[in-house]
Amino acid sequence: NAGVTQTPKFRVLKTGQSMTLLCAQDMNHEYMYWYRQDPGMGLRLIHYSVGEGTTAKGEVPDGYNVSRLKKQNFLLGLESAAPSQTSVYFCASSRPGRQNTEAFFGQGTRLTVV
Amino acid sequence: DAKTTQPPSMDCAEGRAANLPCNHSTISGNEYVYWYRQIHSQGPQYIIHGLKNNETNEMASLIITEDRKSSTLILPHATLRDTAVYYCIVRVAYRLSFGAGTTVTVRA
Repeated sequence: NAGVTQTPKFRVLKTGQSMTLLCAQDMNHEYMYWYRQDPGMGLRLIHYSVGEGTTAKGEVPDGYNVSRLKKQNFLLGLESAAPSQTSVYFCASSRPGRQNTEAFFGQGTRLTVV
Repeated sequence: DAKTTQPPSMDCAEGRAANLPCNHSTISGNEYVYWYRQIHSQGPQYIIHGLKNNETNEMASLIITEDRKSSTLILPHATLRDTAVYYCIVRVAYRLSFGAGTTVTVRA
């Protein structure tokens, strides 16, 4: 039972390059999330999705785009990477419901933009 | 969003109980309190959650005050593997908002 899997685990980009981070979950969860974590700080929500074909902005959405074409996958795109986007990115998923549901997290993608 | 306040750090002796406080004075009546932890920058791990009543599972106990303005996470017998950052979160709608958390160091 894989849970939440993130691909890739590590990546180094040059400023201006683009890339896509993939998150896949095998728990049939409706909700999926992308967070970023900078050194010494808590996680900040970038974008989230409450179902296939729907996405919404979180706290820090600028510079990122997302897509949820399949229920099990949530993609995070960086169109033109900047050094400020150097961070650890975490994906999470959960069952539906406003309350009383735990979120499961992936192991993170460590991205460095030089 | 309801905000939470946690001490930045605390130490605990191995084998002793660790009591982690959290203030959430602006919590509303239908908002749950969640606790997660993050070990060595891995993905956060769910510990426990509650609304009004005290809760216990195999990992920890959660004590919520009657006015719901604060709570305490209890790790009954801390081990070195419990060294982590612990996050107290009041869940709002679909999302979890993480603060800086409490860095707990368990010492032998």
